[in-house]
Amino acid sequence: KNEVEQSPQNLTAQEGEFITINCSYSVGISALHWLQQHPGGGIVSLFMLSSGKKKHGRLIATINIQEKHSSLHITASHPRDSAVYICAVTAISNFGNEKLTFGTGTRLTIIP
Amino acid sequence: DGGITQSPKYLFRKEGQNVTLSCEQNLNHDAMYWYRQDPGQGLRLIYYSQIVNDFQKGDIAEGYSVSREKKESFPLTVTSAQKNPTAFYLCASSFWTGGAKPEAFFGQGTRLTVV
Repeated sequence: KNEVEQSPQNLTAQEGEFITINCSYSVGISALHWLQQHPGGGIVSLFMLSSGKKKHGRLIATINIQEKHSSLHITASHPRDSAVYICAVTAISNFGNEKLTFGTGTRLTIIP
Repeated sequence: DGGITQSPKYLFRKEGQNVTLSCEQNLNHDAMYWYRQDPGQGLRLIYYSQIVNDFQKGDIAEGYSVSREKKESFPLTVTSAQKNPTAFYLCASSFWTGGAKPEAFFGQGTRLTVV
């Protein structure tokens, strides 16, 4: 079982819909990251969360440390939001140092 | 502005040639990482370095080499021994503080195609 699981793997929605992408993890973490990868491959860091909720424009990220779960929401989705969204955690290893672990990503397609 | 820079964004090489991917950061981060992404798979760790002149193998180090002569730089060489070098490569950096400073920054990535 992967340490970081994302769902769904693929998501297609109509423009304007509210989007939710989920991330569950099974290790102790010091932070969780949401990344966006466009078709050309370039990675953009969207959020880093240790607790609670963050908002940037139409994007909202939440994390529940007790449940080891995070969600990324997109309001009023637009075709330009079409991308792969990747969840990553900064996991604390047995040696007390950080290790980045990535989910496999969620491919989002927004249809006009 | 502080950040992490990978270059080039796209790279083409002939089979059998070694190729070096660049990763530079001006964030004063201790740790740097190289990951590889294949279609339909998550990012997998190739090598990481906690301090200058030290680095450790990740999950898929075979066919790759790295150096860490300067804190700011962590170049990755894809050698001819790497059986399937065509992939997307991502560099990242962070502090190495036992979780006290968990910020991680990511490069834009380099897409390597070997023909």
